[in-house]
Amino acid sequence: DQQVKQNSPSLSVQEGRISILNCDYTNSMFDYFLWYKKYPAEGPTFLISISSIKDKNEDGRFTVFLNKSAKHLSLHIVPSQPGDSAVYFCAAKDSGTYKYIFGTGTRLKVLA
Amino acid sequence: GAGVSQSPSNKVTEKGKDVELRCDPISGHTALYWYRQSLGQGLEFLIYFQGNSAPDKSGLPSDRFSAERTGGSVSTLTIQRTQQEDSAVYLCASSPGTAMGNTIYFGEGSWLTVV
Repeated sequence: DQQVKQNSPSLSVQEGRISILNCDYTNSMFDYFLWYKKYPAEGPTFLISISSIKDKNEDGRFTVFLNKSAKHLSLHIVPSQPGDSAVYFCAAKDSGTYKYIFGTGTRLKVLA
Repeated sequence: GAGVSQSPSNKVTEKGKDVELRCDPISGHTALYWYRQSLGQGLEFLIYFQGNSAPDKSGLPSDRFSAERTGGSVSTLTIQRTQQEDSAVYLCASSPGTAMGNTIYFGEGSWLTVV
């Protein structure tokens, strides 16, 4: 049972435009969410997080939105840059556990 | 080093052999995780260590897999009698603890190929 789903395996965006990566979850107990970026042959690196007490968190070009009623979060990258081309994973956990559940990832390609 | 360190970075082994993968977490981090990413798949939880507590081994795919963490720091993941389906990148991560708001930090992974 996939508790965290990234239904788009890939996304292509033109440089300078907005990239929107989506993530859905099924467990209503999840209250902390993270996004990671992964380049080939490297480990995932932390990008941005959000707790369930917020619906938006912004860090530079990256903004994460959380819609608890829809059990949906999204990562917005604007403006997109070629260096943003990577696989993006969303992850979730609830405060009663330590286990981070990851989605299957979305491969973003930013076209110059 | 400042980050999570894993070794070896690449390992090619013959089917049926045993392999050991090592993880050195960030200094002071009490929580340590092992995840696995097979080709085209997401990150699959394998095992979790927190301080001196009993580890959560619920993600280990079979009894050929085991892990230990010595002295609350370095961890070793052992795969016995490797099979081709064990080919994957094995990722170790650590975090300061388990409280909400703690980010987990990954190493660069150990790429295992079983031939």
